[in-house]
Amino acid sequence: QKEVEQNSGPLSVPEGAIASLNCTYSDRGSQSFFWYRQYSGKSPELIMSIYSNGDKEDGRFTAQLNKASQYVSLLIRDSQPSDSATYLCAVNKIQGAQKLVFGQGTRLTINP
Amino acid sequence: GAVVSQHPSRVICKSGTSVKIECRSLDFQATTMFWYRQFPKQSLMLMATSNEGSKATYEQGVEKDKFLINHASLTLSTLTVTSAHPEDSSFYICSARLGGGAVYNEQFFGPGTRLTVL
Repeated sequence: QKEVEQNSGPLSVPEGAIASLNCTYSDRGSQSFFWYRQYSGKSPELIMSIYSNGDKEDGRFTAQLNKASQYVSLLIRDSQPSDSATYLCAVNKIQGAQKLVFGQGTRLTINP
Repeated sequence: GAVVSQHPSRVICKSGTSVKIECRSLDFQATTMFWYRQFPKQSLMLMATSNEGSKATYEQGVEKDKFLINHASLTLSTLTVTSAHPEDSSFYICSARLGGGAVYNEQFFGPGTRLTVL
């Protein structure tokens, strides 16, 4: 089992709709979770961080965390073509060597 | 805030030469920086964790004598790829941790360096 799993996609969503990205993780002791957006040929950009159960909203983005289910998601409302990118889920592993563990990323395409 | 720069953005070199990549945190101090490598259509692979004033911690399978890391100040870490070979061609990205300690580990990435070894 991978430490952080994401559906690699591609995920196609019509413009204006809600894009839903999912991520599961294996380390039950994980405490902090991040979503990064990566455009092709560019480095990742942090768009959301979440540390406690529930929802966290920032503009059109909402991160959702359920530690009991070891599940974290990202919702993008009113999707725009500029949201087309690969979205990386990252989980902070604090047992042993402290580092972020990344999922393989979900490629999202917003269709005009 | 939380801006990380990286230099150079692109480098092409001959096989056998060494290449140094600089990573700077511009508006905050970073006691911990990280170096990643990313091959096309793959996710990020952590190479090493760089702590200011101490030796870097390398991930399993990463040769510390080939990838030299120096974190001499709170705003600068360098990665030197020694005796580069074509298989070292990749996208190298650094990140810096913005405070918060180990629990939060919020990392901000530099723009990356694309290395091509001929």
